[in-house]
Amino acid sequence: EPEVTQTPSHQVTQMGQEVILRCVPISNHLYFYWYRQILGQKVEFLVSFYNNEISEKSEIFDDQFSVERPDGSNFTLKIRSTKLEDSAMYFCASRRDRAGGYEQYFGPGTRLTVT
Amino acid sequence: SQQGEEDPQALSIQEGENATMNCSYKTSINNLQWYRQNSGRGLVHLILIRSNEREKHSGRLRVTLDTSKKSSSLLITASRAADTASYFCATDGAAFGNQFYFGTGTSLTVIP
Repeated sequence: EPEVTQTPSHQVTQMGQEVILRCVPISNHLYFYWYRQILGQKVEFLVSFYNNEISEKSEIFDDQFSVERPDGSNFTLKIRSTKLEDSAMYFCASRRDRAGGYEQYFGPGTRLTVT
Repeated sequence: SQQGEEDPQALSIQEGENATMNCSYKTSINNLQWYRQNSGRGLVHLILIRSNEREKHSGRLRVTLDTSKKSSSLLITASRAADTASYFCATDGAAFGNQFYFGTGTSLTVIP
């Protein structure tokens, strides 16, 4: 069964450094997402991406965040200058279509630790 | 806020018992989905119920949706220790664009 993959599984970085989290969505999916989950808290939407552009973003997704689909398979989340409060699990998800019957498939997540 | 809210926040039962978790949301939706998350792991999709459906089954899972009350329930029958996890509902509403809103989750512990 196809699945969403994410790399790395765990990333440790120093405050102020840039990080890039990588995702490979399911190949025939058209909609891509990033979510964040701070330890012990709920999953929070960051951004959705369709047709090579951001379709929606939350207030969390400020200027330090960016997303890109550099080729036909990868979908990346960049954090330009990490802060301590960026420490969280970051989940990528993809979806075939926006129609009501299509579910989002989530990757296993990348645990980001900012020290 | 569109966000779903689950109750109870935590539930502890004996193996073999049924577990019921509830989710409430605030505005109209296209569908509602339930996910499971084992501690520190990713989200596993369990079941999707569309706004025009009232009940759906998948194995030991039974989901109901009451759009008039803006609520959903997830029933796990004959629970097993392996069902121990957090369970989240996520709402998909066209009025809120292209995103899901996750609830706060129910932490289920099944005691062997």
